[in-house]
Amino acid sequence: EAGVVQSPRYKIIEKKQPVAFWCNPISGHNTLYWYLQNLGQGPELLIRYENEEAVDDSQLPKDRFSAERLKGVDSTLKIQPAELGDSAVYLCASSKAGQGPQETQYFGPGTRLLVL
Amino acid sequence: SQQGEEDPQALSIQEGENATMNCSYKTSINNLQWYRQNSGRGLVHLILIRSNEREKHSGRLRVTLDTSKKSSSLLITASRAADTASYFCATARMDSSYKLIFGSGTRLLVRP
Repeated sequence: EAGVVQSPRYKIIEKKQPVAFWCNPISGHNTLYWYLQNLGQGPELLIRYENEEAVDDSQLPKDRFSAERLKGVDSTLKIQPAELGDSAVYLCASSKAGQGPQETQYFGPGTRLLVL
Repeated sequence: SQQGEEDPQALSIQEGENATMNCSYKTSINNLQWYRQNSGRGLVHLILIRSNEREKHSGRLRVTLDTSKKSSSLLITASRAADTASYFCATARMDSSYKLIFGSGTRLLVRP
């Protein structure tokens, strides 16, 4: 079974430029998460999707961040414009629906963003 | 905001020794999970313990949960160099059980 796929793995951009990250979850997983992980910290949830619906985006900075999961499968997270403080690892995870709080989340390798 | 706090922040042990990591949290939980993250990689789920459970085992891993003290511990027995990684606890709260809140992690180094 293929794991969660993320691309690119690394991205270096200048501040004020836009950037996009892509995630393809494990086949059959209806729930998709985007996390932000700062250096030396644990991941923090940005947004959670159930199929194509964003059911929790309370932690997403909506002035510059946006996300979509149009067909309920793969997802894109965008930052426009990027700021220096956005330098971090962006992790995507997926899980099967219907398991409630017991669900195990499967993480991708992450995209490491450096904003110069 | 991060609910879980791991202790110690960093741990260095010799191969074959046991490693113990602790996690404290603040609010009532549905369950607590432990994840491992190797350098430059995503997180891997290790074990889940429900709020009505006190101890759980998986291979060389032993997790305990004390809801009265709002704390958990992860014990790795007979450690190996391959266990070198960061370990995170994550709590699923009662009032928002689908949302995992991660701690800041313990960085474990197992010396060969």
